[in-house]
Amino acid sequence: NAGVTQTPKFRILKIGQSMTLQCTQDMNHNYMYWYRQDPGMGLKLIYYSVGAGITDKGEVPNGYNVSRSTTEDFPLRLELAAPSQTSVYFCASSDRGGTNEKLFFGSGTQLSVL
Amino acid sequence: GEDVEQSLFLSVREGDSSVINCTYTDSSSTYLYWYKQEPGAGLQLLTYIFSNMDMKQDQRLTVLLNKKDKHLSLRIADTQTGDSAIYFCAEIGRGSTLGRLYFGRGTQLTVWP
Repeated sequence: NAGVTQTPKFRILKIGQSMTLQCTQDMNHNYMYWYRQDPGMGLKLIYYSVGAGITDKGEVPNGYNVSRSTTEDFPLRLELAAPSQTSVYFCASSDRGGTNEKLFFGSGTQLSVL
Repeated sequence: GEDVEQSLFLSVREGDSSVINCTYTDSSSTYLYWYKQEPGAGLQLLTYIFSNMDMKQDQRLTVLLNKKDKHLSLRIADTQTGDSAIYFCAEIGRGSTLGRLYFGRGTQLTVWP
């Protein structure tokens, strides 16, 4: 009963380093999302995908890249880490999209950039 | 873009009712949601309401929607310590942002024994 799985759970990066946050779901959902959650703030959408091979920018895409080569996986890439990217990152998926968006979330990746 | 506002903190005693409030800006929102986030975990869908409804009840949860005032509330009856969490209100985007959820900042509910 895995649902949405994110790895790693915690990571510390130095400024300028790069890394990939992994996200996989086993529910055969077409829609996948990456959000970031800053302290005391709501979730902000970074990127989303409506299906394999299709990705689009959300509200705060700068400094990130994504790919969607399979239905299951939706990795998020940080190329040149900056302190402003210190946040908790959540991956989510949905089987519907459109008018009734029930999202299933992973447990998050806490990233610190020092 | 869409804007969702919530108060940040709420404290109640165990056994009392909790009411968490939310205001939103997009009057054409079709669905509005309440998500719950427990410490160290991702968000879980708690309940949702369709915009043609005024009220939805699900066991201890009651959702009220006032479309005229663009106000959504979540009432938790007989609040328990296990209800302590952050509760997020969310609305779904319209037009070019259809399918995206816009979240409020979350209300931290603390339940005292």
